[in-house]
Amino acid sequence: EPEVTQTPSHQVTQMGQEVILRCVPISNHLYFYWYRQILGQKVEFLVSFYNNEISEKSEIFDDQFSVERPDGSNFTLKIRSTKLEDSAMYFCASSERPSRRNIQYFGAGTRLSVL
Amino acid sequence: DAKTTQPPSMDCAEGRAANLPCNHSTISGNEYVYWYRQIHSQGPQYIIHGLKNNETNEMASLIITEDRKSSTLILPHATLRDTAVYYCVDQTGANNLFFGTGTRLTVIP
Repeated sequence: EPEVTQTPSHQVTQMGQEVILRCVPISNHLYFYWYRQILGQKVEFLVSFYNNEISEKSEIFDDQFSVERPDGSNFTLKIRSTKLEDSAMYFCASSERPSRRNIQYFGAGTRLSVL
Repeated sequence: DAKTTQPPSMDCAEGRAANLPCNHSTISGNEYVYWYRQIHSQGPQYIIHGLKNNETNEMASLIITEDRKSSTLILPHATLRDTAVYYCVDQTGANNLFFGTGTRLTVIP
């Protein structure tokens, strides 16, 4: 069964450093997402991406965050200057089409630890 | 804040049906109701979705009330591997999912 894959599974970084989290969405999917989950808290939407541009973003997704689809398979989330509060699980998801009937498939996540 | 309301926790005996309720009184007419679950810290896993009619797949059944203000996810024969947090998820904006705090289901041997 096709799946969303994320790398690395765990990323440790120093405060102020840049990190790039990588995702390979399901191959025929057109819509891509990033969510995050701070330990013990809810899964929160960050950003959605369609047709090579951001479709929606939340208040969390400020200027420190950016997304890119550098080639036909990868979808990345960059945090320019990490803060302690960026420590969380980051989940990538993809869906087949942008519509109200929208099943999103999630990766296993990247645990980001900012020291 | 979350547009869906779920009990924070439930227990279910192994082999019995688990019935997880959700209130979504503010759902609009063309919005689907989605159910996902999260086992430990893994990524959310899609279970089922529906609009008006009851739905069934290999994982679960979904019963939606006629007024669409609530729904119930049914796991017909719960196993220990079904222990997870179950989310009744609203779709906000164009496509993003809004996760509430969910119901922590514990399946007891």
